[in-house]
Amino acid sequence: QVQLQESGPGLVKPSGTLSLTCAVSGGSISSSNWWSWVRQPPGKGLEWIGEIYHSGSTNYNPSLKSRVTISVDKSKNQFSLKLSSVTAADTAVYYCARGGKTVTSFGAFDYWGQGTLVTVSS
Amino acid sequence: EIVMTQSPATLSVSPGERATLSCRASQSVSSNLAWYQQKPGQAPRLLIYGASTRATGIPARFSGSGSGTEFTLTISSLQSEDFAVYYCQQYNNWPRTFGGGTKVEIK
Repeated sequence: QVQLQESGPGLVKPSGTLSLTCAVSGGSISSSNWWSWVRQPPGKGLEWIGEIYHSGSTNYNPSLKSRVTISVDKSKNQFSLKLSSVTAADTAVYYCARGGKTVTSFGAFDYWGQGTLVTVSS
Repeated sequence: EIVMTQSPATLSVSPGERATLSCRASQSVSSNLAWYQQKPGQAPRLLIYGASTRATGIPARFSGSGSGTEFTLTISSLQSEDFAVYYCQQYNNWPRTFGGGTKVEIK
């Protein structure tokens, strides 16, 4: 059973950089899946941030692209998110998720981490 | 960016009744559409992918239909554990986008 676990600071200062890591267990990050970050502001809906393949290929949401970097560490079976120049609007629960690997499920997220709340405040 | 619009925002249903949730895409997403269930304090759970294929372990009372721009999630007989927020998501184009959600509440 694949499990994903987010980790990182729960509080980030405005204008700082949010850094999170997603550890993958029960499966290999080098499998034929894309690995994504999704966020959810308190009481609001879901926003896709971006994704990475084990080769290092990435796709980002244009609304965040200038501030986002997603990277992969195959040796540790994990991937990471960095979001720079954060403001209060970036306060959200951040989830990591795995995309499916078949031709019909490739972009559906079949496994999710439990989520981690990141608050941007001084 | 493809905009996903869900309706209604809130659906009040009695246990045992049928619930029908709608999702509309601003342009065709073919059948590259997923549905998720989210309960308070939990991560979303994948219910349906490919517009109509149930994910592993999802009960048969959940069914999805549609293609192109119009999609429906039907819960044939609501159980107590089905009261939650439901999201649709397209994965035909980047960026991946979600609908605003439909809250299914107890009538």
